[in-house]
Amino acid sequence: DTEVTQTPKHLVMGMTNKKSLKCEQHMGHRAMYWYKQKAKKPPELMFVYSYEKLSINESVPSRFSPECPNSSLLNLHLHALQPEDSALYLCASSPPGLAGVGEQFFGPGTRLTVL
Amino acid sequence: DAKTTQPNSMESNEEEPVHLPCNHSTISGTDYIHWYRQLPSQGPEYVIHGLTSNVNNRMASLAIAEDRKSSTLILHRATLRDAAVYYCIAGGGGATNKLIFGTGTLLAVQP
Repeated sequence: DTEVTQTPKHLVMGMTNKKSLKCEQHMGHRAMYWYKQKAKKPPELMFVYSYEKLSINESVPSRFSPECPNSSLLNLHLHALQPEDSALYLCASSPPGLAGVGEQFFGPGTRLTVL
Repeated sequence: DAKTTQPNSMESNEEEPVHLPCNHSTISGTDYIHWYRQLPSQGPEYVIHGLTSNVNNRMASLAIAEDRKSSTLILHRATLRDAAVYYCIAGGGGATNKLIFGTGTLLAVQP
């Protein structure tokens, strides 16, 4: 299995809702990532987990809460989002490699719309 | 991570070679050069990466300048399927392999 899966594909939520995005990989990768991508812009790194521990938080607002319950699963919990948080949320994973450099495998993303 | 500069867009004809340039004049000695591409409605896809020497794989070749301040991604025979945004990234490495995407080059391939 050489893919990263993300669910749901699309999500519409109100500003008072709580929802979660899910990402899964079964490639034995020990680094997992969340990116946010606005239309016609490059992906922006949000969080990095390394061996199930949060290692990078790119100053992301607390209304986004990541969780890595095990080495195959990565969640992004959403609460009290704003309309400007509408974007494509991409998950990626990478194997441990020489000097930490490894190909990142991206999922297809979850298209989030906040009303 | 070093800032990268790429042309906003380029055009190519099908079955011709494509050379996509990238400048990264502030690259540090430990920064890798990565290329990813993003096809429409998909997540980014790894293309190639290198540190100092030129690299080849089944998708492309990466030519790195001797001073490492620039690099060129070479697609040897463009196909319609290669139409995508190509991102050059200078950085990564370390325990977390952090990648900071630049604005990328939109490649159009004409039949």
